[in-house]
Amino acid sequence: GAGVSQSPSNKVTEKGKDVELRCDPISGHTALYWYRQSLGQGLEFLIYFQGNSAPDKSGLPSDRFSAERTGGSVSTLTIQRTQQEDSAVYLCASSLSPPGAGVEDTQYFGPGTRLTVL
Amino acid sequence: AQKVTQAQTEISVVEKEDVTLDCVYETRDTTYYLFWYKQPPSGELVFLIRRNSFDEQNEISGRYSWNFQKSTSSFNFTITASQVVDSAVYFCALRHPAFSGGYNKLIFGAGTRLAVHP
Repeated sequence: GAGVSQSPSNKVTEKGKDVELRCDPISGHTALYWYRQSLGQGLEFLIYFQGNSAPDKSGLPSDRFSAERTGGSVSTLTIQRTQQEDSAVYLCASSLSPPGAGVEDTQYFGPGTRLTVL
Repeated sequence: AQKVTQAQTEISVVEKEDVTLDCVYETRDTTYYLFWYKQPPSGELVFLIRRNSFDEQNEISGRYSWNFQKSTSSFNFTITASQVVDSAVYFCALRHPAFSGGYNKLIFGAGTRLAVHP
């Protein structure tokens, strides 16, 4: 079946502009996660959705970052007033069930969106 | 502290050699989950294995095997008879159960870049 898809695959933007990154999870997966991968910081958790609600936003680095999920499916990560330090690969993952549900909580990742802020 | 350490930054081997990737973790919890992911040059994180803290049995899947030792807080990954297609960055990750704080996120190690040469 289809895996997690993300768009765009690459995004180049100018400092100060807003960007939106999209994630389409595996069909039927109730949990969705955003991570960021950068050279200096490695792989970092950003936010977790269960259905349309986000019980864990602890990884969002600043209030310029926000995310929403609608219809229990597609999620959008928005970065306002982008800065050069936001340059990274943004990875989305989904799992069939929430954490603690056994093997069904294994996270499957999409190909990522590479964001470059000039 | 909750932390995953992959001390080997890069490993280079010749095809058909066996190679072991080390992973050491730190956690205060008695219940936790460990994962290995592979990131080939395409960038997508590919799930390899999930192991819970109560299951110390070693696992073998084809040329891949995993050695989980709670006494040394290690979850090492061995590739037998390596192939060029095994070239990738490999990440070890830790997650805590739903009833503990920060239960949603995967805590990743810095990754080990494996290069297998013909």
